Amino acid sequence: DAKTTQPPSMDCAEGRAANLPCNHSTISGNEYVYWYRQIHSQGPQYIIHGLKNNETNEMASLIITEDRKSSTLILPHATLRDTAVYYCIVRIQGAQKLVFGQGTRLTINP
Amino acid sequence: DVKVTQSSRYLVKRTGEKVFLECVQDMDHENMFWYRQDPGLGLRLIYFSYDVKMKEKGDIPEGYSVSREKKERFSLILESASTNQTSMYLCASTPGGQGAGNTIYFGEGSWLTVV
Repeated sequence: DAKTTQPPSMDCAEGRAANLPCNHSTISGNEYVYWYRQIHSQGPQYIIHGLKNNETNEMASLIITEDRKSSTLILPHATLRDTAVYYCIVRIQGAQKLVFGQGTRLTINP
Repeated sequence: DVKVTQSSRYLVKRTGEKVFLECVQDMDHENMFWYRQDPGLGLRLIYFSYDVKMKEKGDIPEGYSVSREKKERFSLILESASTNQTSMYLCASTPGGQGAGNTIYFGEGSWLTVV
């Protein structure tokens, strides 16, 4: 199973872009990178996923390096409601399950 | 929007009681999952189901069973609750097929305390 490495915590000022890094150096060629976040006491919320191209949706952008060994989630204009634990996950084929690591605790400061 | 609904957010049960956790999804997804989440241990898969009446054991099935009589509903059953089953339980669903691009959607979680 490909594993991910994320910094345990980060801070960002409200209104600024929050850039969350993730290392997945053992990723296989057909494994996707997923990002979820979890606000305290709630279930994980899907944010975005990608294979090798950069992706953007209404919540965030995902930048994947050309060698696919790392990626960055970008929240373009962070708000206080973006304070959460952010999980970078590599999708395991076949079993349809997700393996969550420890994630990054992002704190948005006013 | 996909909606995964867990019937109970907070429950307190006594040791030995039978506990039912219900989950319903409204997007006609084939696959449904039950996870538990504990501090320091992350999310661990208990059971999953890829079709009505079908089930597969996850990583920690001991002490649990599941039921899927209808496509939209997946129930987790604790036959005889124990204190080490105190946890947050998460239901999730995803469309069928083996495509790695299928997103998994989670419910809001059920906090179970066994006393």
